[in-house]
Amino acid sequence: DIQMTQSPSSVSASVGDRVTITCRASQGINTWLAWYQQKPGKAPKLLIYVASSLQSGVPSRFSGSGSGTDFTLTISSLQPEDIATYYCQQAQSFPWTFGQGTKVAIK
Amino acid sequence: EVHLVESGGGLVQPGRSLRLSCAASGFIFHDYTMYWVRQAPGQGLEWVSHISWNSGAIGYADSVKGRFTISRDNAKNSLYLEMNSLRGEDTALYYCAKDVNTGSYHGIDYWGQGTLVTVSS
Repeated sequence: DIQMTQSPSSVSASVGDRVTITCRASQGINTWLAWYQQKPGKAPKLLIYVASSLQSGVPSRFSGSGSGTDFTLTISSLQPEDIATYYCQQAQSFPWTFGQGTKVAIK
Repeated sequence: EVHLVESGGGLVQPGRSLRLSCAASGFIFHDYTMYWVRQAPGQGLEWVSHISWNSGAIGYADSVKGRFTISRDNAKNSLYLEMNSLRGEDTALYYCAKDVNTGSYHGIDYWGQGTLVTVSS
């Protein structure tokens, strides 16, 4: 199975700050990577798929990059509504696997 | 608007069975791969199973293989998960979800609200 490792596990930043979350795959996954945002008590929401494609309706302050084993989710200017847990997920092969999550908080 | 509505969860004793259902609307159901993903209380996300648009490709997590069976009825726009020999570690919120693109395995763009399965004596 492909292991997905996110870092950091939590981050605290001020409104307007740039926030970067990284995800590393245990083997190459090309660009078969998705990012999700999950708020407490809610289902996950797709932000990015195939590493850098922004899902329709997602604010442009979210962006994704990377290929192979190393990927990044960037929030260019953190907003209060971005408080959530973020997960990466590889779609290279089944079993699909998720990172352990990164909790984003406001400082 | 896409809607995925799960049902069938509940409290069940270890070793017993449960069948989850998911009613889909707002998209051409028979064009999309569908998934079950679960989330144990306070934990992360775990892919459980997938089924291709025509049921020709099916997969399971090792943790449920041999105990769970996924199926779909395209005429009824419905997805199912038959869960047998349930264990305490199957306790989770089970999400029904659809792929972002037709005929692909690219990611999940819509999720249901989830149905809670609690396995306990």
